[in-house]
Amino acid sequence: GNSVTQMEGPVTLSEEAFLTINCTYTATGYPSLFWYVQYPGEGLQLLLKATKADDKGSNKGFEATYRKETTSFHLEKGSVQVSDSAVYFCALDSSNTGKLIFGQGTTLQVKP
Amino acid sequence: DARVTQTPRHKVTEMGQEVTMRCQPILGHNTVFWYRQTMMQGLELLAYFRNRAPLDDSGMPKDRFSAEMPDATLATLKIQPSEPRDSAVYFCASGPGQSPSEQFFGPGTRLTVL
Repeated sequence: GNSVTQMEGPVTLSEEAFLTINCTYTATGYPSLFWYVQYPGEGLQLLLKATKADDKGSNKGFEATYRKETTSFHLEKGSVQVSDSAVYFCALDSSNTGKLIFGQGTTLQVKP
Repeated sequence: DARVTQTPRHKVTEMGQEVTMRCQPILGHNTVFWYRQTMMQGLELLAYFRNRAPLDDSGMPKDRFSAEMPDATLATLKIQPSEPRDSAVYFCASGPGQSPSEQFFGPGTRLTVL
């Protein structure tokens, strides 16, 4: 079946450090891929998306590229801020029904 | 600023009691989702609706959980009877018909069953 695997957290970085959170997926066909972010005490928010191979999604300094050959969608940011501290979820939708399959989430802690 | 609203935000109840959680999706969104989040299981999809019709509730324990959309502005999730293992944060999300995966989440209902 379809699945999403994320790197284990927590990830702890200093402010202005480079961020990578790894995400790989298993799916039939050509799923759409997403990153959602959850700030403490809140619901998830869509951060970025990519709908086909080699697409790059970007938002708020975050980027992720849909790599079909490696079935990956790694999240990157060049310089993190304390305000980026949150839980990040990678997800896929293989049928465009909205039935998202989420990874287990990766906690990011950014220290000043 | 359109948002998904959920009530109540917190609920503490005793085992065996009925619990009803409510959600108002964003106006114009025709897909509505119910999720449950726990530390152990992560984020689980319980049920979802399109145009108020249930499309998939396979993630829901059928004997005690029920989900409905009485109208386009209200979705409900009911647990009867509640059990301690139902303690979790329950999220409602809505999405536009053309991009149902671009979901907007509510703030959640934190349920504690004693």
